[in-house]
Amino acid sequence: GNSVTQMEGPVTLSEEAFLTINCTYTATGYPSLFWYVQYPGEGLQLLLKATKADDKGSNKGFEATYRKETTSFHLEKGSVQVSDSAVYFCALSEGGGGNQFYFGTGTSLTVIP
Amino acid sequence: DTAVSQTPKYLVTQMGNDKSIKCEQNLGHDTMYWYKQDSKKFLKIMFSYNNKELIINETVPNRFSPKSPDKAHLNLHINSLELGDSAVYFCASSRTGNSEQYFGPGTRLTVT
Repeated sequence: GNSVTQMEGPVTLSEEAFLTINCTYTATGYPSLFWYVQYPGEGLQLLLKATKADDKGSNKGFEATYRKETTSFHLEKGSVQVSDSAVYFCALSEGGGGNQFYFGTGTSLTVIP
Repeated sequence: DTAVSQTPKYLVTQMGNDKSIKCEQNLGHDTMYWYKQDSKKFLKIMFSYNNKELIINETVPNRFSPKSPDKAHLNLHINSLELGDSAVYFCASSRTGNSEQYFGPGTRLTVT
């Protein structure tokens, strides 16, 4: 079956530190992969996505590369800001009817000045 | 110009009551979803509707009943509320063939 395993949190970093949040997946087919971000008190927003192997998704300084050989989609940012404090979710979808998403457990990030 | 909206944003009610949460999307999407997020931020899919037809119905109590009057709306009715129903409920939508989902702001349900 399909599943997503995400790095446990919470993660606390100082401003301008390097961020990596690990995500690995199990899928029966060829999924699309996503990172969503949830700021306090808000709904989830799409941060970036990749639809096939070796694709790199990027947005707001965040990047993740779809690695089929390691079944991974790790999220990285070179220099985090206080405003990046949020919960980050890795997810996969195989599309099709119903378009079911499989979410990871979420990783809470706090960036301190 | 809100893409996916939910009402109410907060709902406080007593055990045993019946309540509804409404969701509307103005994106022209044909698939809508309900998720439950618990206090540890874990997201669980509850239902998915495609063109007003139920597609995904995960194992949730039958006290939860979704209703889709048209493609732009998916409401969630909950009967006989229990303490364990306290959570944040998110509505989402997507277009068939495009797997990206758009989420509403959430409804925080508190059952006392």
